[in-house]
Amino acid sequence: SQTIHQWPATLVQPVGSPLSLECTVEGTSNPNLYWYRQAAGRGLQLLFYSVGIGQISSEVPQNLSASRPQDRQFILSSKKLLLSDSGFYLCAWKGPGTSGYTFGSGTRLTVV
Amino acid sequence: RKEVEQDPGPFNVPEGATVAFNCTYSNSASQSFFWYRQDCRKEPKLLMSVYSSGNEDGRFTAQLNRASQYISLLIRDSKLSDSATYLCVVMNSGGYQKVTFGIGTKLQVIP
Repeated sequence: SQTIHQWPATLVQPVGSPLSLECTVEGTSNPNLYWYRQAAGRGLQLLFYSVGIGQISSEVPQNLSASRPQDRQFILSSKKLLLSDSGFYLCAWKGPGTSGYTFGSGTRLTVV
Repeated sequence: RKEVEQDPGPFNVPEGATVAFNCTYSNSASQSFFWYRQDCRKEPKLLMSVYSSGNEDGRFTAQLNRASQYISLLIRDSKLSDSATYLCVVMNSGGYQKVTFGIGTKLQVIP
């Protein structure tokens, strides 16, 4: 069966510091992978998606970036965090056809 | 108009009650529909897909009305454990099958 791992679970970072969040998927090959952010009291916002190694598409302009160095690895990064980057970051994997998403357990990021 | 709209609630209902949520979507070409459940400070988890003919899973019934562009979720005999936020999800056709999440409806079941 497919599983998705995301870490760390919680992170407190100062403004201006770098960020690296990692997500890995097991039990499937060539998955579509996504990074979402959920700000307090708001809906899920798609940040990046990837349909394959090295293929990244960005949905919104921001100081975040994403990379997919391996088939089942998806990384979210920032060189300098802003206060507005605080939120709940979720990695997701989508199955074939019209099946829904499976989310990782999320990283709660607080920028101070 | 938002792509997917939900009443954020909260809906406060007593145990045993029946509660229904609606969700409207703006793109008439939308292909697939889902309800997700999100517990406080946790990731969303798939509750059920929504099929054109309507579908049921235990106490939960989901329906789709394409003509009026809304989906609904009915919960019968509410349990305390049903307290959560319910997210409406719409998938459109496209290169990567764009998925749009509603803001979620918060349900609080009261003893």
